[in-house]
Amino acid sequence: EVQLVESGGGLVQPGGSLRLSCVASGFTFSTYEMNWVRQAPGKGLEWVSYIGSSGSAIFYADSVKGRFTISRDNAKSSLYLQMNSLRAEDTAIYYCARGNDGLPDYWGQGTLVTVSS
Amino acid sequence: EIVLTQSPATLSLSPGERATLSCRASQSISSYLAWFQQKPGQAPRLLIYDASNRATGIPARFSGSGSGTDFTLTISSLEPEDFAVYYCQQRGNWPPWTFGQGTKVEIK
Repeated sequence: EVQLVESGGGLVQPGGSLRLSCVASGFTFSTYEMNWVRQAPGKGLEWVSYIGSSGSAIFYADSVKGRFTISRDNAKSSLYLQMNSLRAEDTAIYYCARGNDGLPDYWGQGTLVTVSS
Repeated sequence: EIVLTQSPATLSLSPGERATLSCRASQSISSYLAWFQQKPGQAPRLLIYDASNRATGIPARFSGSGSGTDFTLTISSLEPEDFAVYYCQQRGNWPPWTFGQGTKVEIK
């Protein structure tokens, strides 16, 4: 059974940093692309970042470019999102999602990030 | 960036009725469109991929159609557990992945 478990969310002040993690199981992590998708309270889904299976291909949404860094450790079946210079508008549930040639076929349950003073 | 526009924003129906949801792309995405269901407090769940293929374990009452720029998700007879928000997503031209703004199917 495919499982994705996010952690690392919490309350942070504007301008602060946070590192999210996603641990995968039930599939061969190193052969799949991975993504972060977020959802602000009461709002729709917004793709945040993509990383290819080997980590060599990386893309970001314009809204987070230069502030967020995606990475992965295939030996630990883990995905990360380093978030710096956080803003109030980054407040959201952050989901990790497995990508299958661009199709987000499995999602974790999400971790809540709240940016507030 | 491809923009996906869903309609209607809200659909008020009774159990047993047929639901028809629309998703329109700002440019052609071939058949690279997926549909997701999201219930309160839960992650999105994949229902349909590549416009018309049901994901594993998805009941036959869910069906998808369309290609190019116009797509439809049909729920043939609504069950109580089908009342939720539905999103479309494209992978015809990415990054970025883009999602529609969602259609809420509510109990009338």
